Amino acid sequence: SQQGEEDPQALSIQEGENATMNCSYKTSINNLQWYRQNSGRGLVHLILIRSNEREKHSGRLRVTLDTSKKSSSLLITASRAADTASYFCATVRLSGNTPLVFGKGTRLSVIA
Amino acid sequence: DAGVIQSPRHEVTEMGQEVTLRCKPISGHNSLFWYRQTMMRGLELLIYFNNNVPIDDSGMPEDRFSAKMPNASFSTLKIQPSEPRDSAVYFCASRDGTTNEKLFFGSGTQLSVL
Repeated sequence: SQQGEEDPQALSIQEGENATMNCSYKTSINNLQWYRQNSGRGLVHLILIRSNEREKHSGRLRVTLDTSKKSSSLLITASRAADTASYFCATVRLSGNTPLVFGKGTRLSVIA
Repeated sequence: DAGVIQSPRHEVTEMGQEVTLRCKPISGHNSLFWYRQTMMRGLELLIYFNNNVPIDDSGMPEDRFSAKMPNASFSTLKIQPSEPRDSAVYFCASRDGTTNEKLFFGSGTQLSVL
């Protein structure tokens, strides 16, 4: 299985601090994606990084990808209480229209 | 577009009953996925379709589960007979398969089997 595994499982920080979540995977990928899930809701796509990219930014989000280590990190800068949610990484295999395989997520709590 | 639409939002049923979950993907998306989410196992892929054809159903737990996609705008996931261990949140998601990129998720169906 190439299931991604997020680390840590849970993270609690103060508002204004940065939050870093990590993801490891097992096989070669086409791209890696991060999703967010608010309690009781579906997952929402945040950002996609391709296998030939090393870093990508979107607003307060910064994603890095190290294909040699088969790992990625998601950094949320200047966190807000509204960032409280679960964050999942998902990978897409190299070839074909293949499904995303998700990890179990990191539960982020941002305390105001 | 209204996004991926799932129904019902909540379903409570008794063990042994048939349960049917429904999904309408985003118009124009040709790939559809059914996932199940539990605390213990996380988000598991059950089955996915490309152009209405089931591609991989290896994630379907057992023969009690079946899924269909009769046309590009509708899919069902059926559990017959249901068991308490089937209690979970079931998500449908769709994607433009030509881009192999992001998934759009529905709000899920919270299933409780008593």
